[in-house]
Amino acid sequence: EVQLAASGGGLVQPGRSQRLSCTASGFTFADYAVSWFRQAPGKGLEWVGCIRNKAHGGTIEYAASVKGRFTISRDDSKSIASLQMNSMNTGDTAVYYCGRGRLWVDYWGQGTLVTVSS
Amino acid sequence: EIVMTQSPATLSVSPGERATLSCRASQSVGSNLAWYQQKPGQAPRLLIYGASTRATGFPARFSGSGSGTEFTLTISTLQSEDFAVYFCQQYNNWPPLTFGGGTKVEIK
Repeated sequence: EVQLAASGGGLVQPGRSQRLSCTASGFTFADYAVSWFRQAPGKGLEWVGCIRNKAHGGTIEYAASVKGRFTISRDDSKSIASLQMNSMNTGDTAVYYCGRGRLWVDYWGQGTLVTVSS
Repeated sequence: EIVMTQSPATLSVSPGERATLSCRASQSVGSNLAWYQQKPGQAPRLLIYGASTRATGFPARFSGSGSGTEFTLTISTLQSEDFAVYFCQQYNNWPPLTFGGGTKVEIK
């Protein structure tokens, strides 16, 4: 069974950093791109970024709202993707989801809540 | 960036009735459109991709249509488990992927 799970959320102060992990199982992780999304409380979905698989260069794309502050990486040996978030602000408060795929996401992980507040 | 607009924001429907949800793109996205279903407290689930291809696990009462800038998601006979929020998402002009604001299908 394909499964993904995001973890690492919590309360973080403005200006500080947080690292999220996306742990996958049930498929060959190295064969797929991984995307990150977020959803502010009561709001819609926002694409955060994506990392392709190594066969497609492992290239990474970011939303303009996070570019320069967030970094996506992957460790295929552990079937884990990571989202490093720096210089966080209150606008980054959201449930963060990871998912399998680049253009559309066929499997989503349960999200993890990140709250940015002093 | 392509802006996706969904209407209506809320759709009140009785079980057994038909629901028609709309999604409009600010410029043509061809058939590069997906629909997702999201229930409270849960992650989204892929429902439709390629504008009309149903994802695994969804019954035939769900159908997607349209191309270019106008798209429709139809639920032919609403069941209790179909009450949820539905989002459309374009992947024609990427990055970024962009989503509509969602349509909440609620019980009338």
